[in-house]
Amino acid sequence: EAQVTQNPRYLITVTGKKLTVTCSQNMNHEYMSWYRQDPGLGLRQIYYSMNVEVTDKGDVPEGYKVSRKEKRNFPLILESPSPNQTSLYFCASSPSRQGVLYEQYFGPGTRLTVT
Amino acid sequence: AQSVAQPEDQVNVAEGNPLTVKCTYSVSGNPYLFWYVQYPNRGLQFLLKYITGDNLVKGSYGFEAEFNKSQTSFHLKKPSALVSDSALYFCAVRDETSYDKVIFGPGTSLSVIP
Repeated sequence: EAQVTQNPRYLITVTGKKLTVTCSQNMNHEYMSWYRQDPGLGLRQIYYSMNVEVTDKGDVPEGYKVSRKEKRNFPLILESPSPNQTSLYFCASSPSRQGVLYEQYFGPGTRLTVT
Repeated sequence: AQSVAQPEDQVNVAEGNPLTVKCTYSVSGNPYLFWYVQYPNRGLQFLLKYITGDNLVKGSYGFEAEFNKSQTSFHLKKPSALVSDSALYFCAVRDETSYDKVIFGPGTSLSVIP
């Protein structure tokens, strides 16, 4: 089954304790992206990647890191989480071909609480 | 800068009635527009998109949307609402000048009343 998976689905942590949220897709998509969803703000893009070893900042990258060493994986790293990073996080992927725009496939989400 | 507005936080409609969820956008170049739906405790699912061509776009689950360039709008519509359509709806835009970035609207919660 074509899908985007995220782990963990739920996470409660304390301020300053480094964490990683994994994202993996099995559709051979070039484009991957991370979003956070907050009430009234919709989804805001954190980071995105056009392909392996190519990443760029979205609109809210502060406090986050990403890496794209393999095509299928795009982990989100919070080096020192703070309470304002409490949110619902989504990973998404899509094909990417020059001049052609595709819809994104979303993972099930990771609900993160930082105390 | 790109932006997307969904002027209604909440839309209520009776089952069987037509529904409209509104979206307006602002981009530098030609827009590429998308609608996604989010059911409770689920990720977002793609409904439909406008890239070019016919202004009326048909998508999944009987939904359609009309692209209006002069009004910079891309409203989502369905002729007859179902209770199962109750969900959170997001409009999103990509700009031909920076299409690797995606901007989402704040979302509209649709409630279909039996």
